[in-house]
Amino acid sequence: EAGVAQSPRYKIIEKRQSVAFWCNPISGHATLYWYQQILGQGPKLLIQFQNNGVVDDSQLPKDRFSAERLKGVDSTLKIQPAKLEDSAVYLCASSPGRRGQETQYFGPGTRLLVL
Amino acid sequence: AQTVTQSQPEMSVQEAETVTLSCTYDTSESDYYLFWYKQPPSRQMILVIRQEAYKQQNATENRFSVNFQKAAKSFSLKISDSQLGDAAMYFCAYRTVTNKLIFGTGTLLAVQP
Repeated sequence: EAGVAQSPRYKIIEKRQSVAFWCNPISGHATLYWYQQILGQGPKLLIQFQNNGVVDDSQLPKDRFSAERLKGVDSTLKIQPAKLEDSAVYLCASSPGRRGQETQYFGPGTRLLVL
Repeated sequence: AQTVTQSQPEMSVQEAETVTLSCTYDTSESDYYLFWYKQPPSRQMILVIRQEAYKQQNATENRFSVNFQKAAKSFSLKISDSQLGDAAMYFCAYRTVTNKLIFGTGTLLAVQP
């Protein structure tokens, strides 16, 4: 079974530029998550989708971050404009979305450096 | 709000020895899940073990086991017969009712040959 796919793996941009990350979850997984992991910290949830609806985006900086999951499968996370403090690894995870099957499986992440 | 605390930023263990990583959490919920994830230098987060709060029996997965003390809100991970491949950052995580994971700050485990 293929795991969670993410691209690109690395991205370097200058502040005030825009960037987008892509995630393809495990086939059949209804729930998709985007986490931000700043160096030296644990991941922090940015947004959670159940199919194509948003469950939790309480920690998403909505003035610059946006995310979508239009067909309930893959997802895109965008930052516009980027700030220096956005330098982090962005992790995508998915889970089946059924009770008793809530384990989240993570992708390899996208490492973003904002200069 | 739920919180997860890992008080050991770094730990070291000799190959073939046993090491225990500590984790405490705070919650007012009675039904929840706890996880240990491993993150090697490649940065892919891998599930090590999970514990359901309503189960009194401690979870085990091969060389990995937990000591779950619900009243004390403690969830430690024991790694037996440590191997070089166990070297990684280990994160303790709490799952909320909406399936959001709240992570601790991690413990960096070094395995000495």
